[in-house]
Amino acid sequence: AQSVTQLGSHVSVSEGALVLLRCNYSSSVPPYLFWYVQYPNQGLQLLLKYTSAATLVKGINGFEAEFKKSETSFHLTKPSAHMSDAAEYFCAVSRNTGTASKLTFGTGTRLQVTL
Amino acid sequence: GAVVSQHPSRVICKSGTSVKIECRSLDFQATTMFWYRQFPKQSLMLMATSNEGSKATYEQGVEKDKFLINHASLTLSTLTVTSAHPEDSSFYICSARDLGGRSHIEQFFGPGTRLTVL
Repeated sequence: AQSVTQLGSHVSVSEGALVLLRCNYSSSVPPYLFWYVQYPNQGLQLLLKYTSAATLVKGINGFEAEFKKSETSFHLTKPSAHMSDAAEYFCAVSRNTGTASKLTFGTGTRLQVTL
Repeated sequence: GAVVSQHPSRVICKSGTSVKIECRSLDFQATTMFWYRQFPKQSLMLMATSNEGSKATYEQGVEKDKFLINHASLTLSTLTVTSAHPEDSSFYICSARDLGGRSHIEQFFGPGTRLTVL
């Protein structure tokens, strides 16, 4: 079984401030981990993914995430928030079995960016 | 590349009618497609996994007779909500995976379909 916990359903930061969105996972096998962003009334866009290569993963729009096995975490960060970063962010996990597997999503974190 | 489209983007229907939603992979062959449902301010819940040429696999609690899925070609999967009721109103999102190509672990998501049942 696999699951994802996103701490904080709502995060508010000032423009230019550090963004930190938390994600902890549970998986009985080595996981693949993903961060997706969703803008209102739109589908999901992949920000970055961890596939057992480098533990520090760089994604689009200046986001990055670090896989920490000892902490079972995959937190998403961005050094300086921009107004356009305001959206819903989902962490997701799938099994690393070498073949296609289902995604399990966290409950999401809404990021608000203020002036 | 890796574009997935959905049609329609928004649909309003009367209670008791059926609604079909299409999901297409535009620049790759999708051997596997997934259908999700998302309630307002909530996460995505997987409804079913659709494999080309075979029956869909439904998640526990999803009524297969109510949510009919057809994946007749490598670029098209359809979800039909039969005898829709107001409680079926939701945002339906599909995704596609290309097992034979670019990334067998990544899902490419469509833009979603907003269904409102009156």
